[in-house]
Amino acid sequence: GAVVSQHPSRVICKSGTSVKIECRSLDFQATTMFWYRQFPKKSLMLMATSNEGSKATYEQGVEKDKFLINHASLTLSTLTVTSAHPEDSSFYICSASLTSSGNPYNEQFFGPGTRLTVL
Amino acid sequence: DAKTTQPPSMDCAEGRAANLPCNHSTISGNEYVYWYRQIHSQGPQYIIHGLKNNETNEMASLIITEDRKSSTLILPHATLRDTAVYYCIVRRVTPGNQFYFGTGTSLTVIP
Repeated sequence: GAVVSQHPSRVICKSGTSVKIECRSLDFQATTMFWYRQFPKKSLMLMATSNEGSKATYEQGVEKDKFLINHASLTLSTLTVTSAHPEDSSFYICSASLTSSGNPYNEQFFGPGTRLTVL
Repeated sequence: DAKTTQPPSMDCAEGRAANLPCNHSTISGNEYVYWYRQIHSQGPQYIIHGLKNNETNEMASLIITEDRKSSTLILPHATLRDTAVYYCIVRRVTPGNQFYFGTGTSLTVIP
């Protein structure tokens, strides 16, 4: 199956700093990528949808200036948590979708996640 | 997309079949049922999906009722590695269409 990677897998930062998380589709081109966050013992919450070459679409309640998303190529999307605070500590997961005849059901392939801890 | 309802937790003995139910009574005719699972601190893993016919793959079987208002994921011979949270998701197959995760079922396989 298709492989999605995330980097870094874990990051610890100081309050007030910005953190960038990368999401890459390794063996396919992803026209659409999605970003989720997950708090302990909770379900995944969709944050935003990004399409290559266009602005991301954010879910209600997600601050677009706080969580900057860039989808510059068909294999890379980045999520930058700006001016991070302890309440931003969470598990961030990306997924990628290949929109083509090779994926007629528009299945999403998930990355392994990034654990962010803000001190 | 239609909402789903799953029991919060289930136990299953190792080697036995695990049957995970999901209710989706408001499902539309063009919505598919997807199942994913998430092992602790990992990204979700695709298991299976279906529209109205029962489906089987190397991981599991999906049984969808005739009225499509509920479905059951069956892991035929559960192992300890199947301990995970299982999510049932209903969505239209549209390019760029999102997945919205519910609360899922936490399955614990007991030795």
